Amino acid sequence: DAKTTQPPSMDCAEGRAANLPCNHSTISGNEYVYWYRQIHSQGPQYIIHGLKNNETNEMASLIITEDRKSSTLILPHATLRDTAVYYCIVRVRSSNTGKLIFGQGTTLQVKP
Amino acid sequence: GAVVSQHPSRVICKSGTSVKIECRSLDFQATTMFWYRQFPKQSLMLMATSNEGSKATYEQGVEKDKFLINHASLTLSTLTVTSAHPEDSSFYICSAAGTYTDTQYFGPGTRLTVL
Repeated sequence: DAKTTQPPSMDCAEGRAANLPCNHSTISGNEYVYWYRQIHSQGPQYIIHGLKNNETNEMASLIITEDRKSSTLILPHATLRDTAVYYCIVRVRSSNTGKLIFGQGTTLQVKP
Repeated sequence: GAVVSQHPSRVICKSGTSVKIECRSLDFQATTMFWYRQFPKQSLMLMATSNEGSKATYEQGVEKDKFLINHASLTLSTLTVTSAHPEDSSFYICSAAGTYTDTQYFGPGTRLTVL
């Protein structure tokens, strides 16, 4: 079973920031928080990951609470192309043992 | 960087035939590849994990004799669906991780339809 909880759906206005929450209250000390998104009928796309510090890249920012029990993915200026299912996943950072267990994710609808 | 391809993107076959799906890491060496299946309106389900040169490890409930996985090189893994039936119709997606990065990068997926 997935170890994260996400709202099933969210709306966001185009050009505004999209803030997607994720709860992972049972996260272990060696588990990272990963975010992927899946646009309809495509393979998932990696967005960002982090352990305990906030992270930022060209796609998004990841804010992790100090107790690491929850996090927020921020898309600073959402566009229509950001409409997708967003998955928050916790995993051990290892190429051969760090499975990705997908939950139901959050369907983000960006509206004009 | 970190590009993963799959071939074919779409395949239609008759019941009882076998279908092979290829997954390639184009710009990095993938020591580990993963195969997922996704039914309509559902999330991805991990089927198996394969390490280069080793036998694949299958998740509980996945028939290893039906879904044959080969990971013979650091850039190629194949999934063969043997004696396919209509209930095997699904979206099959691979991912790869390895020497370049332990982050998993996904292929575009293969839509299998069994008639």
